[in-house]
Amino acid sequence: GENVEQHPSTLSVQEGDSAVIKCTYSDSASNYFPWYKQELGKRPQLIIDIRSNVGEKKDQRIAVTLNKTAKHFSLHITETQPEDSAVYFCAASRSDMRFGAGTRLTVKP
Amino acid sequence: GAGVSQSPRYKVTKRGQDVALRCDPISGHVSLYWYRQALGQGPEFLTYFNYEAQQDKSGLPNDRFSAERPEGSISTLTIQRTEQRDSAMYRCACGGVSGEQFFGPGTRLTVL
Repeated sequence: GENVEQHPSTLSVQEGDSAVIKCTYSDSASNYFPWYKQELGKRPQLIIDIRSNVGEKKDQRIAVTLNKTAKHFSLHITETQPEDSAVYFCAASRSDMRFGAGTRLTVKP
Repeated sequence: GAGVSQSPRYKVTKRGQDVALRCDPISGHVSLYWYRQALGQGPEFLTYFNYEAQQDKSGLPNDRFSAERPEGSISTLTIQRTEQRDSAMYRCACGGVSGEQFFGPGTRLTVL
């Protein structure tokens, strides 16, 4: 089955800096790669996603890149703000969905 | 309602009891997924449905866990003879045709 690995497990950046979170997946048939943000005590919220026929997608300060050959994808957050602090999860899906272990991002004001 | 709902939000039970967790998805969403999320971890896939058909139950830990979605809408996850290791947040998510999933608030299960 699919196995998703996520790095780093914790990330601390200064407000205004960029943050990058990386994931790798094992199943070459996976074709959908979402990213979720989870604040303490809340449900995961979809923030951006990318499909296997696209290499990059951007939404304001958030972008995701996908390298199908290498089977890895990354989340990029630019101009980070304290409210970006949360746990971020990547996932890979063909029909079921498998999640990474999460990255705790802290943005220091 | 506009979003996914789950009930109960909290369930405390004694070891050996059966529990049933309910998920009420967004109207019209074909796919429904069940996950278990331990504190500080990512959601762990349990099972999913398209309409009323259970497509994949490979993530169910053992035969004490079962799920159904008889009319293709509301789903129930049942855990029989609960054990302390079953304690976790159980989340459902429903999906549109594009594959995106929207999570419910979860049921926090505590087995004493």
